[in-house]
Amino acid sequence: KQEVTQIPAALSVPEGENLVLNCSFTDSAIYNLQWFRQDPGKGLTSLLLIQSSQREQTSGRLNASLDKSSGRSTLYIAASQPGDSATYLCAANNNDMRFGAGTRLTVKP
Amino acid sequence: DVKVTQSSRYLVKRTGEKVFLECVQDMDHENMFWYRQDPGLGLRLIYFSYDVKMKEKGDIPEGYSVSREKKERFSLILESASTNQTSMYLCASSTNVWNTGELFFGEGSRLTVL
Repeated sequence: KQEVTQIPAALSVPEGENLVLNCSFTDSAIYNLQWFRQDPGKGLTSLLLIQSSQREQTSGRLNASLDKSSGRSTLYIAASQPGDSATYLCAANNNDMRFGAGTRLTVKP
Repeated sequence: DVKVTQSSRYLVKRTGEKVFLECVQDMDHENMFWYRQDPGLGLRLIYFSYDVKMKEKGDIPEGYSVSREKKERFSLILESASTNQTSMYLCASSTNVWNTGELFFGEGSRLTVL
């Protein structure tokens, strides 16, 4: 059964910093990996979807990479802003979506 | 933009009541899912559906049932609500066979069972 781990569980940075969130998964036979953002009390918002044949995806200040062989994905956030404060979750899809516990990010003004 | 709409954002019910949580998506997606999210336990899959009138159990189906009479609508039913079903319930949908498409979520339904 696929297990997804996200490190760190929480992260606090000053505004303007570049940062990296990590996601690891145990079964590399995935169809895709997806990154989400969740604000308190809300649903999940899709940020980036990386198919298994891709190495990375970019959207604005966000860049997600995928290394299937090592079972890792990273989400890079450039020039962080207080509005980026949220919980970020990754999910690995082996025809059965498995979610990490998330990284709670706080960006201080 | 894809929109997944959950009819109730907040509900308060009493133990033993029957509860209906409704979810509608507007992008003609084949796949629909119900999750619950609890602190320390993350997201857990309750039921999913790949087609109309089709349903499959997820990891924690006990105490729940679902209905998918139309492609755009997927309902979660708590036949007799219990306090341990107090949770945030999230509906999601995606396109493609074998769940290879992007997953989109609704805003969530916060259920409290007293």
